[in-house]
Amino acid sequence: AQSVAQPEDQVNVAEGNPLTVKCTYSVSGNPYLFWYVQYPNRGLQFLLKYITGDNLVKGSYGFEAEFNKSQTSFHLKKPSALVSDSALYFCAVRDLNTGFQKLVFGTGTRLLVSP
Amino acid sequence: DTGVSQNPRHKITKRGQNVTFRCDPISEHNRLYWYRQTLGQGPEFLTYFQNEAQLEKSRLLSDRFSAERPKGSFSTLEIQRTEQGDSAMYLCASSFRTSTSTDTQYFGPGTRLTVL
Repeated sequence: AQSVAQPEDQVNVAEGNPLTVKCTYSVSGNPYLFWYVQYPNRGLQFLLKYITGDNLVKGSYGFEAEFNKSQTSFHLKKPSALVSDSALYFCAVRDLNTGFQKLVFGTGTRLLVSP
Repeated sequence: DTGVSQNPRHKITKRGQNVTFRCDPISEHNRLYWYRQTLGQGPEFLTYFQNEAQLEKSRLLSDRFSAERPKGSFSTLEIQRTEQGDSAMYLCASSFRTSTSTDTQYFGPGTRLTVL
């Protein structure tokens, strides 16, 4: 079965500093990985995805993520955090080998960027 | 370009009542998904349609829940005899099926249900 772990409930970073939000996954086949962001009382906004190819994926708003197959990780990164990046971030995975379309989400990591 | 829309945005109901939510996907998206999100959790998959066919259902989708997509466009999710445990945010997403089936799901703003 597919699963995602986001080990940190909250990440605190000062504006201008780099940020990392961690995600590890478990699938039996090839992973299809996503990051979404959720602002208060809003739905999820797509940030980026990894299917295959270059392990460093670039997405919206200056975010990027690094796929590491040996560590089964897909950490979200940004070189310089903004206060407006403060939100709830979700990692999700789909197992490409199962044929199922459902995404399995982690429990989310709250990012707090202080001025 | 309009995104996924959901109505109503908020619904308060009494236990035992039936509720229905509507989702309008992004135009020409042939896949539509329903998820449920409770406080402090990530979204959990409920069901998925390709065009009008319901192809996947989670065991979370009890017999009180029913979803339809009659013409392959908008979808409705009905909950009968609501229970307090049904209180959650119900999220709809849509995507366009690609030849490699590596489509991206785009989410609507959600319908927040409160069962009193």
